[in-house]
Amino acid sequence: AQTVTQSQPEMSVQEAETVTLSCTYDTSENNYYLFWYKQPPSRQMILVIRQEAYKQQNATENRFSVNFQKAAKSFSLKISDSQLGDTAMYFCALNFGNEKLTFGTGTRLTIIP
Amino acid sequence: DAGVTQSPTHLIKTRGQQVTLRCSPKSGHDTVSWYQQALGQGPQFIFQYYEEEERQRGNFPDRFSGHQFPNYSSELNVNALLLGDSALYLCASNLLGEQFFGPGTRLTVL
Repeated sequence: AQTVTQSQPEMSVQEAETVTLSCTYDTSENNYYLFWYKQPPSRQMILVIRQEAYKQQNATENRFSVNFQKAAKSFSLKISDSQLGDTAMYFCALNFGNEKLTFGTGTRLTIIP
Repeated sequence: DAGVTQSPTHLIKTRGQQVTLRCSPKSGHDTVSWYQQALGQGPQFIFQYYEEEERQRGNFPDRFSGHQFPNYSSELNVNALLLGDSALYLCASNLLGEQFFGPGTRLTVL
């Protein structure tokens, strides 16, 4: 069985600063996908970024980038130039293609004006 | 494209009752997954439907059942509701490994 661990229940950062959210996972599979989802107070779960385990290059989406360390089973999310709209719960998740997502417990991120 | 839609938005039931939640996937998506998200927790996988069959199931009792229709829309049914079933229920449709979530149904059991 796979597990996803987020060890930072809450974080806060000043607007325009950079913040890094941590995630570790455990799986015995070699081919898998990792995701970061954002859930604002509106409850809608929004995909932020996706990483295929077979790709060595770290994924990037505008201000969002990941540091994927496959050997260490670590998958952190870096948000640059943070904005007030980034305030949300952030969930790290893992799956194997079209199968179920396994989520971490989340990190509540607050961007301070 | 309307995205994933769910109904109703909110629902209040009493213990022992039965409830049905509905989900319409994104256009062209043939796989639907259901998740339960308790307050302050990450979503937990309930089950997934593909081609009108339950393809994968999480660790939930038989009180949780589902259905997928030929147009790929899906229902989640929960019988004999317990207080602990109070949660946000999320539906996700997927295509090529990427899951798109609906806004959820907030179920409160009194």
